Amino acid sequence: KQEVTQIPAALSVPEGENLVLNCSFTDSAIYNLQWFRQDPGKGLTSLLLIQSSQREQTSGRLNASLDKSSGRSTLYIAASQPGDSATYLCAVEGSYIPTFGRGTSLIVHP
Amino acid sequence: DTAVSQTPKYLVTQMGNDKSIKCEQNLGHDTMYWYKQDSKKFLKIMFSYNNKELIINETVPNRFSPKSPDKAHLNLHINSLELGDSAVYFCASSHSTEAFFGQGTRLTVV
Repeated sequence: KQEVTQIPAALSVPEGENLVLNCSFTDSAIYNLQWFRQDPGKGLTSLLLIQSSQREQTSGRLNASLDKSSGRSTLYIAASQPGDSATYLCAVEGSYIPTFGRGTSLIVHP
Repeated sequence: DTAVSQTPKYLVTQMGNDKSIKCEQNLGHDTMYWYKQDSKKFLKIMFSYNNKELIINETVPNRFSPKSPDKAHLNLHINSLELGDSAVYFCASSHSTEAFFGQGTRLTVV
């Protein structure tokens, strides 16, 4: 059974810092890994999708890496802004069974 | 255009009632899901439909039943609601890769 763990559970940083959010999974037989953002009272927004054959994806200030063999992914946020405050969820998909981590709650204060 | 839409956004109801949450996607995706997010923000998959066929049924109470009238819709019916059913329910769709989520339905059972 796939288990997904996200560290840290919560993070509070001043504006401008570069951040690393971690996601680990127990079963490396995955199709893809996806990072989401969840804002209070809103749905999930997909940030980055990494196929199992890929090692990283970039979008603006976000960069996500995937190391299948070690069961790890990291989400790197450069030059954080208050607008980045949200919960970040990692989801691993294999055989139509997406499994989510519990998320990292991020607060970026001015 | 909303890719995945859920209605209602908020639902407050008494214990013992029967309620439904509707979900529609206009992306032409083959697979739709229902997730439950508990008070600790943990997302757990409840059901998955692929081409109108149930392919995942997690150990949820049989008071919960998904109904898919067509490929674009996956509705969630809940009978005899209990206090513990209070949560945010997310609908999602995917086409083997990226998943798209609805805005969520906050269900409160009183």
